[in-house]
Amino acid sequence: QVQLVESGGGLVKPGGSLRLSCVASGFTFSDNYMGWIRQAPGKGLEWVSYISTDTKYTNHADSVQGRFTISRDNAKNSLFLQMTSLRAEDTAVYYCARESTWAFDIWGQGTMVTVSS
Amino acid sequence: DIVLTQSPGTLSLSPGERGTLSCRASQSLGSTYLAWYQQKPGQAPRLLIYGASSRATGVPDRFSGSGSGTDFTLTISRLEPEDFAVYYCQHYGGSPEWTFGQGTKVELK
Repeated sequence: QVQLVESGGGLVKPGGSLRLSCVASGFTFSDNYMGWIRQAPGKGLEWVSYISTDTKYTNHADSVQGRFTISRDNAKNSLFLQMTSLRAEDTAVYYCARESTWAFDIWGQGTMVTVSS
Repeated sequence: DIVLTQSPGTLSLSPGERGTLSCRASQSLGSTYLAWYQQKPGQAPRLLIYGASSRATGVPDRFSGSGSGTDFTLTISRLEPEDFAVYYCQHYGGSPEWTFGQGTKVELK
């Protein structure tokens, strides 16, 4: 079955780093653009990052530009988000999602990142 | 940057009633790039509509999307108990980047 499973979330101090992972199954991962979307507690959705199938093209929201880096390993059906210089406002559930026709049609269950001293 | 404004913030309805949710953009959009999602508490969002009016796989036909330019609508023709949730509109803005509206909560009246 088509599935995305995130991992790597946790509690980190301000200024710290964390690497999120997302493993895909049930579809041809290498054929799909992928993204990360986050949701702060009690808030709405915010797109974070995007990566093309061949990793040639990436883009990040202004709020994380220069601090977060998206990457992928098609051989391992895996998507990653390297997060550095974390701030309290980065506290959120982070979802990985498959992009299709300019929307996100498959979502993982999310992984919680808490930035607090 | 395009801003998506959803209204109302909360919609109180009874099962069987019709729900009409609005998404207004700060500038004209290509309808190809407008999507709607449903999110229930503790769950990931679920894609309902893409391209402004195309239903995603497995979405019941009581959900329909319409609109163009700056005004888009998600209509739930007859609310079922499982439809009480938060709904988000989303726009793809090139670059590439995506923008979400702030959400409309459909609650039980």
